[in-house]
Amino acid sequence: DGGITQSPKYLFRKEGQNVTLSCEQNLNHDAMYWYRQDPGQGLRLIYYSQIVNDFQKGDIAEGYSVSREKKESFPLTVTSAQKNPTAFYLCASSKQGPTHNEQFFGPGTRLTVL
Amino acid sequence: QQQVKQSPQSLIVQKGGISIINCAYENTAFDYFPWYQQFPGKGPALLIAIRPDVSEKKEGRFTISFNKSAKQFSLHIMDSQPGDSATYFCAARRETSGSRLTFGEGTQLTVNP
Repeated sequence: DGGITQSPKYLFRKEGQNVTLSCEQNLNHDAMYWYRQDPGQGLRLIYYSQIVNDFQKGDIAEGYSVSREKKESFPLTVTSAQKNPTAFYLCASSKQGPTHNEQFFGPGTRLTVL
Repeated sequence: QQQVKQSPQSLIVQKGGISIINCAYENTAFDYFPWYQQFPGKGPALLIAIRPDVSEKKEGRFTISFNKSAKQFSLHIMDSQPGDSATYFCAARRETSGSRLTFGEGTQLTVNP
């Protein structure tokens, strides 16, 4: 089955700890994205990558970091600098090009800071 | 900066009724307008999308109406069913931004049986 997998489904973190959320896709998509979802605020873009070894900040990148060493993988690290990290995190991927617009989403990771 | 405004935040409809969700945008460079459907605890999935060269697109019970001059577009769900209960997001893409989307705030739809 082709798709996007995110792990873990639930993640608990103590204040001051860094945590890394996994995102893997086997759709052969060039572009990958990380969003944060909070109630009433829609989906806010954290980081995105259009090609391996390259990525750009989204609208709320502060306190987060990413890497794109492989086409299939786009892990997100939530650092201790992120002041309010409790949220639902969604990874997505898409083809590139003017006619390739659909983003496919993973099932999400719910992060809770204790 | 919120470039796509969505309303209402929540909507309750009776089974068989019409659900209408509205979105407004500011940037005239947007050239693609999708709607995503999200069930609780799941990732969003593309429902239907439209480009600004048409005023309406229909797929089954779901219709997008697009008003380019008013910079507004809306999702209509005909004969709403309890299984349609979900959160709906509108989005928009700038033609120069690759596949990057700007999302609205979301509408939580509840269809009562």
